[in-house]
Amino acid sequence: DAKTTQPTSMDCAEGRAANLPCNHSTISGNEYVYWYRQIHSQGPQYIIHGLKNNETNEMASLIITEDRKSSTLILPHATLRDTAVYYCIVRVGGGTSYGKLTFGQGTILTVHP
Amino acid sequence: DVKVTQSSRYLVKRTGEKVFLECVQDMDHENMFWYRQDPGLGLRLIYFSYDVKMKEKGDIPEGYSVSREKKERFSLILESASTNQTSMYLCASSLSEVLLGQPQHFGDGTRLSIL
Repeated sequence: DAKTTQPTSMDCAEGRAANLPCNHSTISGNEYVYWYRQIHSQGPQYIIHGLKNNETNEMASLIITEDRKSSTLILPHATLRDTAVYYCIVRVGGGTSYGKLTFGQGTILTVHP
Repeated sequence: DVKVTQSSRYLVKRTGEKVFLECVQDMDHENMFWYRQDPGLGLRLIYFSYDVKMKEKGDIPEGYSVSREKKERFSLILESASTNQTSMYLCASSLSEVLLGQPQHFGDGTRLSIL
């Protein structure tokens, strides 16, 4: 699985968009980009994933650059409850893949009033 | 919404006890996983199962076993609990990997303390 690089921490004002970057310059053609978040003492929560195209769901948007070497998770209107550690993961999405997830250090997002 | 339910949020057991952690998912997922999460070590895969009665070892299976008698339920067993098994245990499930890109969905975790 490709290695990812994320900033250690970010701040965001409540109500504003939070844009979380992730670099994955060694991504392979069959690897997907996944985003999870983890609030203290809870299990990781799946947010969104994509392969090539930009994706949007009720929680967030995922913007993947054309060369797929980086991506941005966008929380359009951040709330205090979005304060969490956000993990960007790149892994093969199917076939005979091993299946395990590996979380890096992630980005600590703090949303303040 | 996918629901993965772990039987306990907090559990305290004694060294040498046999410990059972239960996980149930309600989305008819083929794959189920057990991880442990420790500060500084991240997420580590213990066992996973891709079908009923099927299991595969992950990266750290020693001291653990699993059982999957029904599709919706995946149990983690600590055969003889030791203090180094004190950890946050996370269960996850996903659709078959044949369906490309399927994400894993996690339960809330069980914080297990072995005294």
